Amino acid sequence: NAGVTQTPKFQVLKTGQSMTLQCAQDMNHNSMYWYRQDPGMGLRLIYYSASEGTTDKGEVPNGYNVSRLNKREFSLRLESAAPSQTSVYFCASDLGGTDTQYFGPGTRLTVL
Amino acid sequence: KQEVTQIPAALSVPEGENLVLNCSFTDSAIYNLQWFRQDPGKGLTSLLLIQSSQREQTSGRLNASLDKSSGRSTLYIAASQPGDSATYLCADRNSGGSNYKLTFGKGTLLTVNP
Repeated sequence: NAGVTQTPKFQVLKTGQSMTLQCAQDMNHNSMYWYRQDPGMGLRLIYYSASEGTTDKGEVPNGYNVSRLNKREFSLRLESAAPSQTSVYFCASDLGGTDTQYFGPGTRLTVL
Repeated sequence: KQEVTQIPAALSVPEGENLVLNCSFTDSAIYNLQWFRQDPGKGLTSLLLIQSSQREQTSGRLNASLDKSSGRSTLYIAASQPGDSATYLCADRNSGGSNYKLTFGKGTLLTVNP
């Protein structure tokens, strides 16, 4: 099992450009999550999908959109990137409820 | 709003030492608490998950305890090794609001010196 995979691993954007971060899991998990990790701020939840067909805002949703494409895939889109979105983005998944959460390797995004 | 604090922010110990990492949370109404390890430039790896009804969990040289009444969890690492060097994060799943949300501490950076 590959677990949680993310693409791309690295990305550099110019202010105003758009991009989509991809995430997939092969553990048949119901719930999927997007976090960002910034120095001194810890991990913060951007959006989550409790189950296929549903999405909800987390702590820092502004400037992002998500799509739960199917049970396996959950994408994060930046419509108009800003330097404040420079961060490391992690996707995670779990069965839902109170289960152990599993993380992908991360995408390191720099917005110039 | 739930807050999770980890002390110390950084810890350096000689190889072979037993050590304790601390995690505290402000709201004791939690479903569970999870300890993660993060190596530089990598994702998070789950180490131990303690459900709210449990007092502790063990995996190899790691032992995590949970005291809901005092809002504290500890991660005990026995006989530390240089390979244990990493950032350790704790996160709780709180029953207030959405139970899908994990609240993370900012982590403890552990260095084990040979």
